[in-house]
Amino acid sequence: QSVLTQPPSVSAAPGQKVTISCSGSSSDIGNNFVSWYQQVPGTAPKLLIYQNNERPSGIPDRFSGSKSGTSATLAITGLQTGDEATYYCGTWDTSLSARGLFGGGTKLTVL
Amino acid sequence: EVQLVESGGGLVKPGGSLRLSCAVSGFTFSSVWMTWVRQAPGKGLEWVGRIMSANDGGTADYAGFATGRFTISRDDSKNTLYLQVNNVKAEDAAVYYCATDCTGGACPNNYYYGLDVWGQGTTVTVSS
Repeated sequence: QSVLTQPPSVSAAPGQKVTISCSGSSSDIGNNFVSWYQQVPGTAPKLLIYQNNERPSGIPDRFSGSKSGTSATLAITGLQTGDEATYYCGTWDTSLSARGLFGGGTKLTVL
Repeated sequence: EVQLVESGGGLVKPGGSLRLSCAVSGFTFSSVWMTWVRQAPGKGLEWVGRIMSANDGGTADYAGFATGRFTISRDDSKNTLYLQVNNVKAEDAAVYYCATDCTGGACPNNYYYGLDVWGQGTTVTVSS
């Protein structure tokens, strides 16, 4: 069971908007940056969002991240079939020794 | 272009040992922090541990399950990261990924506080 809580799945039609939540605590999300990763089946994860809301070069502005308190959210607008993937949030737990954390992952289905 | 290539996966018996490697090119390896992440079949991502650059102390941090059986090391002269796993258990079966860790040290693409560049993964199968 992951320390960071994500919904197991979300779905929406092409062109619509979807949001994926990531809930943590004061020792992880509450005091650290959040990143998001996209993983298409059979491939390695790819960095999608870093520092809560920054996009790497080449990531469309349809993808956006935000953070408030101990939760973070990934929003995807103008859904495309190519967005079908599993999305993971990630951060750090710095309460004792530094360790990385991932959410359980959310599978996005574009209907 | 930064590239990470993992190797060393394969079939290992329970109780055995394995050493995974991650060859890094296209960037000054000695200045980057590196992380190992694993993914069991059909499961999510699981952080294994990370190692800082020598300039930042070269220390390694581990997930709870990895403490004691897993050792992360690096050879900056060979631009290679390693993951040693001893007393392998069935639950260690997974795809193991290495990634550049931009929480500290140099960051290949300046995407700080994210796992910037990932390898393609190497598969570990555990069976007697």
